[in-house]
Parts: sequence; C-alpha cells; structure tokens
Amino acid sequence: GDSVTQMEGPVTLSEEAFLTINCTYTATGYPSLFWYVQYPGEGLQLLLKATKADDKGSNKGFEATYRKETTSFHLEKGSVQVSDSAVYFCALRGSQGNLIFGKGTKLSVKP
Amino acid sequence: DAGVTQSPTHLIKTRGQQVTLRCSPKSGHDTVSWYQQALGQGPQFIFQYYEEEERQRGNFPDRFSGHQFPNYSSELNVNALLLGDSALYLCASSSGPGQSRTGELFFGEGSRLTVL
Repeated sequence: GDSVTQMEGPVTLSEEAFLTINCTYTATGYPSLFWYVQYPGEGLQLLLKATKADDKGSNKGFEATYRKETTSFHLEKGSVQVSDSAVYFCALRGSQGNLIFGKGTKLSVKP
Repeated sequence: DAGVTQSPTHLIKTRGQQVTLRCSPKSGHDTVSWYQQALGQGPQFIFQYYEEEERQRGNFPDRFSGHQFPNYSSELNVNALLLGDSALYLCASSSGPGQSRTGELFFGEGSRLTVL
C-alpha cells in the first residue's frame, strides 16, 4: 500500500543553519505530496504542497521538489530560525483521497 | 473566520468506557475527517464524513464510529476503550469529499485522550 518514510529525528540545528528533512514515498501513480507542520500545542498546518512531478512547493522560506525518479519530496530551508522549531510531517494523498503521513521529524533550533 | 474547533481538549477515561469527541469544521467546509495520532507517530486516517454519511474508512475497528450533523459538525465515538486508544484525535475539514488533487485539509488542535 501507499506509504511515506521520513528521516527520524530529533534534528537540532543552530539558528541560520541549512535544513534538510528527507522524505520518500511509495505509491501507485503520482499522488499529490505535502509537508505539514505542527507547532507546540497547535494543530497541523499545511506548509507546502506539490501536485505533479517536478513541481516545487514553497512557503515561509521552505521548499520541496516533487521528484518522481527518486520518489522523494525533501524539505529544505536555507536559514532556519528559532521560530521554525516544530514537528514536520511529510504526507501523500492516498488512492482513497485521505492523507497518509510519515512519522514526523522534530526540529529544534537553538539561538 | 473560525477555524476547525474540537472539544474537549483533554480527557481521561478508563478501560472499557466510551468516549465522544466533537468537531466543528471551518466555516464554509462540509466534509470532516478524523485522524488518530499516537505519541511519536504520524496521524492515521480513521474515517471521513460528507453529507451526513461515512464515505471512507481507514483500518480501524467498528468500536470507532462517527456521525455528522446537518450543520456539518461531527462526532467521533469510541466504545470499549483500550489502553492503546490513548492518542491525540485530530479533526480536519475540507470543502467537498476531498477528491481534489490539492487535498488541502484544515486541522483542529485535537483532543488528547488518555485511557487508564
């Protein structure tokens, strides 16, 4: 069945460091792909999305490119801030229409 | 514009009891989905309601049931609670049954259930 695998955390970075969180998926066809973020004490928020191969989603300085050759959707940010500390979830749109999530990666950014 | 609201935010139950969680979708949304997020895991799809009917269901037993009301709000019921049902239960709303490829869902902050 469809699944998402993302790098395990926690990830600890210093402010202004470069961030990469790896995400790969298994699915039939070319599902829409998403990154959601969960800040402490809050619900999930959509960070960015890509609906077809080679699309690049971007928001708040974060980017991810839909790579069908490597079935990947890695999240990147050039310079992280303390306010980026959160749990990040990679997800795909399953064949039934529901979202299938990875286990999440906790990011802590130190000043 | 109110987002997705859930109640209660926290609750504690004992094994064998029953629980009801409530969700009001974002204004303008008519479809509600429920997800279970165990500690340290990603959310898992329970079911989706549209037009007051269950439209899709994930791999959850019949102890998990739901309802959608004419005002689009929804309830999640869990019977015969097990320790393993302890989790954060997330409600998400969307416009339409979610078959569009963009698939953007708006999530509430969740109801944290602890089963002792």
